[in-house]
Amino acid sequence: GENVEQHPSTLSVQEGDSAVIKCTYSDSASNYFPWYKQELGKRPQLIIDIRSNVGEKKDQRIAVTLNKTAKHFSLHITETQPEDSAVYFCAATLPFFKTIFGAGTRLFVKA
Amino acid sequence: DSGVTQTPKHLITATGQRVTLRCSPRSGDLSVYWYQQSLDQGLQFLIQYYNGEERAKGNILERFSAQQFPDLHSELNLSSLELGDSALYFCASSVEGAGFSEQFFGPGTRLTVL
Repeated sequence: GENVEQHPSTLSVQEGDSAVIKCTYSDSASNYFPWYKQELGKRPQLIIDIRSNVGEKKDQRIAVTLNKTAKHFSLHITETQPEDSAVYFCAATLPFFKTIFGAGTRLFVKA
Repeated sequence: DSGVTQTPKHLITATGQRVTLRCSPRSGDLSVYWYQQSLDQGLQFLIQYYNGEERAKGNILERFSAQQFPDLHSELNLSSLELGDSALYFCASSVEGAGFSEQFFGPGTRLTVL
């Protein structure tokens, strides 16, 4: 079945630095890749997503890249701020099937 | 506020008992998803319903069952509860059932099994 691996599990950066989180999926039929942010004690919320027919998508300080051949996708956060501190989950979706989430990356942004 | 509601917020029960968690999706959303999040763990997909029909199934235990009613609200039933079932249970909804659209998560139900 589909499996999503996410690295690193913990990431600590200085405010203003960039943060990169990487995910690998196993099923090449996956074609939708959302990223969710979960602040402590709160619900996950979508921050950006990408479909398999797109290689890169950007939204202000956040960007996601997708390499279908290698079955890798990554989240890039530039100019990190303390409020970016949270757990980030990547996910891969098979059409008309289940969404599989990665194990999460706990991001700490030090002021 | 995502528009997805879940009740109750907290539930404390004993091993061997049965509980029902309830979810109301956002207005207009036809799909409901259930996830389990254990302490410091990721989101484990349990099951998805679309317009009343089961659409996809994850690693849902046989002791767990769910359904989506004609008014589109959904219930997750957990029976013969074990200590390891203690977790945060999220419901999410989306407008369509193919998995291509944003899932809006509810606030979750925290289940504690003693």
